[in-house]
Amino acid sequence: EAQVTQNPRYLITVTGKKLTVTCSQNMNHEYMSWYRQDPGLGLRQIYYSMNVEVTDKGDVPEGYKVSRKEKRNFPLILESPSPNQTSLYFCASSPLIRRGPRLHEQFFGPGTRLTVL
Amino acid sequence: DAKTTQPNSMESNEEEPVHLPCNHSTISGTDYIHWYRQLPSQGPEYVIHGLTSNVNNRMASLAIAEDRKSSTLILHRATLRDAAVYYCILHSGDNAGNMLTFGGGTRLMVKP
Repeated sequence: EAQVTQNPRYLITVTGKKLTVTCSQNMNHEYMSWYRQDPGLGLRQIYYSMNVEVTDKGDVPEGYKVSRKEKRNFPLILESPSPNQTSLYFCASSPLIRRGPRLHEQFFGPGTRLTVL
Repeated sequence: DAKTTQPNSMESNEEEPVHLPCNHSTISGTDYIHWYRQLPSQGPEYVIHGLTSNVNNRMASLAIAEDRKSSTLILHRATLRDAAVYYCILHSGDNAGNMLTFGGGTRLMVKP
């Protein structure tokens, strides 16, 4: 089944304790992205990647790192989490197409609810 | 990417058509109009996208105004499963950034 998986789905942690949220897709998509969703602020893009070893900042990259060493995986790293990073996080992937919109249909994961105390 | 404006919420009766409007008066010639929806406790789900012509797929239809400054997502027969937040997003075909900027969306409530 074509899907985007995220782990963990729920995480409670403390300020300053490094954590990684994994994201994996089995559709051979070039494009992957991380979003956070907060009440009243909607979905905001954190980082995205056009392909292996190619990453770029989205709207709200501060406090986050990503890496893209393999096409299928795009982990989100919080080196020193803070309470303002408490949020619902979504990973997404999409094929890149050469004509028309470069981003076609994005497939989203089920979300990771992170609480930083 | 240019900005979109949507009503905060709309209500519909089950089995009736629903027209969800979106204004994008600053749209540029290379901007595509994408629609996503987010069901409760789930990630967003792609619905449809278009550039100038109206588009149909199994989920919905997209009607785009001639001047492209507005568009309407049409659900032909709303079901309870269609209750979700619907996002209208502009994405530039030339955008080297390749970001999708989600706005506040429209919360659709479907009454039985």
